[in-house]
This record gives sequence, C-alpha cells and structure tokens, in this order.
Amino acid sequence: EAQVTQNPRYLITVTGKKLTVTCSQNMNHEYMSWYRQDPGLGLRQIYYSMNVEVTDKGDVPEGYKVSRKEKRNFPLILESPSPNQTSLYFCASSFGQGIGYTFGSGTRLTVV
Amino acid sequence: KQEVTQIPAALSVPEGENLVLNCSFTDSAIYNLQWFRQDPGKGLTSLLLIQSSQREQTSGRLNASLDKSSGRSTLYIAASQPGDSATYLCAVQDSNYQLIWGAGTKLIIKP
Repeated sequence: EAQVTQNPRYLITVTGKKLTVTCSQNMNHEYMSWYRQDPGLGLRQIYYSMNVEVTDKGDVPEGYKVSRKEKRNFPLILESPSPNQTSLYFCASSFGQGIGYTFGSGTRLTVV
Repeated sequence: KQEVTQIPAALSVPEGENLVLNCSFTDSAIYNLQWFRQDPGKGLTSLLLIQSSQREQTSGRLNASLDKSSGRSTLYIAASQPGDSATYLCAVQDSNYQLIWGAGTKLIIKP
C-alpha cells in the first residue's frame, strides 16, 4: 500500500530534550515536506526537500532541523524543544511540488 | 504575501442538503488550487486539484470551481451524507511552488 508513515503518533516531552519524528514513504517520491498545524491557522511549512541531500527552509523553520540522506526518509529533528513547538505535525510526499500530495497520519507533539 | 481564507470556519447541515464551502485568496498569481479533506486522527486526503488554467473539476458528488481573477474557489458537495463530516482545507500553490493553506471549514452533517 502506497503510504507515508510517521512515528510516533503521539509524543509528550519536556523542554530541551532532543527528539526526532520519523517520516518514510514507499512511493519513490522525490519531494517531501514537513508542516505544522495549529488551531485557527492553516498548515505552515517547516522544511521541504526536492531530492536526496537537497533541503530548504519553509515558512517556519526556526527550532527545527531535517535531513534527506535517503529518498524514502525525511526525519524532523527538534534539538531543544520548547512549549511553542506544541503542535500537530504532518509529513507529506509528492512526485512534484503541489501535485498529488500524500500525507502521513500526523504526530501530535506536546512540549511541557 | 499570499493569504488564504476559508469561510465559514464551521458549518452544520442536515443530511441530504447540497452545500458550498468557500475559499478566497489575495494574490491571483497561483499555479493551482487544491481541496483537501482532514479526518480526526488521520492525515489529509487530496480531493480535487484545479490548475490555474481550469475553471472547475468534478469528482463524484464534489465539484470545485476556480475564479482566479476574483481570487475565489468554491467546493460544492451534492446530497451530503454523514460520512462527509470532516474538516475541508483549501491550499493554493503560489509562483514559488509553495502551498499556502486556509485554516479550514469544519463540516458536520447531521443524520
């Protein structure tokens, strides 16, 4: 089954404790992206990647890191999480920007 | 800077009604516009994609229109069903190929 898999689905952590949210796709998509979704706001892009070893900042990259060492994986790293990073996170992949996006099920992160 | 607005934020209608969801955007220089559906605890599902050169797209009971000059799109749902209950999001792809999202309309269809 073609899908984007995110883990974990839920995570509660403390301020400053490094964490990684994994994202993996099995569709050989070149384009991958991370978004955060907050109440009353639309999805906002954190980082995106056009291909292996190519990553770019989105609208809200501060406090996040990503890597794209393999085509299928695009982990999101929070080196020192803060409470304002409490949010719902989505990973997505596509053959090209804006075309046929497939989204993961989301990761609900709470930073206390 | 492109801004996308969806009105209303929430809508509750009886089963069987036809309904329209609205999406507006401030900059008409878009590449395409997409409608998505979001179910609680699940990811987003792409419903319809309208290229900037197109006026509308249809899929089953769904019809999406695009009026680029006025900065508007509508999603028409015919003969609504309880299973249509979800949050509907629209997103425009701007000239930099980035998706700009609306905050969504939460739709409840009452049996």
